[in-house]
Amino acid sequence: QVQLQESGPGLVEPSQTLSLTCTVSGASISRGGYYWSWIRQHPGKGLEWIGYIYYSGSTYYNPSLKSRVTISVDTSEKQFSLKVSSVTAADTAVYYCARASGGSPYYFDYWGQGTLVTVAS
Amino acid sequence: SSELTQDPAVSVALGQTVRITCQGDSLRSYYASWYQQKPGQAPILVIYGKNNRPSGIPDRFSGSSSGNTASLTITGAQAEDEADYYCNSRDDTGYHHYVFGPGTKVTVL
Repeated sequence: QVQLQESGPGLVEPSQTLSLTCTVSGASISRGGYYWSWIRQHPGKGLEWIGYIYYSGSTYYNPSLKSRVTISVDTSEKQFSLKVSSVTAADTAVYYCARASGGSPYYFDYWGQGTLVTVAS
Repeated sequence: SSELTQDPAVSVALGQTVRITCQGDSLRSYYASWYQQKPGQAPILVIYGKNNRPSGIPDRFSGSSSGNTASLTITGAQAEDEADYYCNSRDDTGYHHYVFGPGTKVTVL
């Protein structure tokens, strides 16, 4: 059974960098065939795709966040990570990691439980 | 970028059928995927592709598509189907970009 688990600080100060890690079990990131994604949900709001990474390191980002987001992968550790720089209160959200299909049809089939990150001083 | 629109809320009587729609130009090029989210929980994939259900999803959930509209139908809605439902699609204005609809709250009466 594929499982994803987010980890990282629940509180980040404004202007700092938000850093989260997703640990994958039951699947191999390095095997390919899937993209490893970050998605967020502002409190009481809908879902927003942040971006994803392939095992090779190729990354794709939401244009609205691209200037502040970096996604990286550590296949040996079965982890991939998210960094969002220069955060503001608008970055307060539940952050999910998820696995995305590698081709058509497109979908996100496994999700982590989500982790709430609050941006506040 | 592309946008997807959904009705904010719909209600259905227990055991009846409800259809949730999602509209957007990207749906002319890509199938929608659909996610169920209950309060405090992560989304769950319920439909993807033309009309595919992941393992464990009841067959009362089905999907369809026509033109710029994708639909999720729950036939014989159960109390446990009360949730928010989000559609998702590749964005047809950019390479490897995705967009979610704003979600539809389904209430089972």
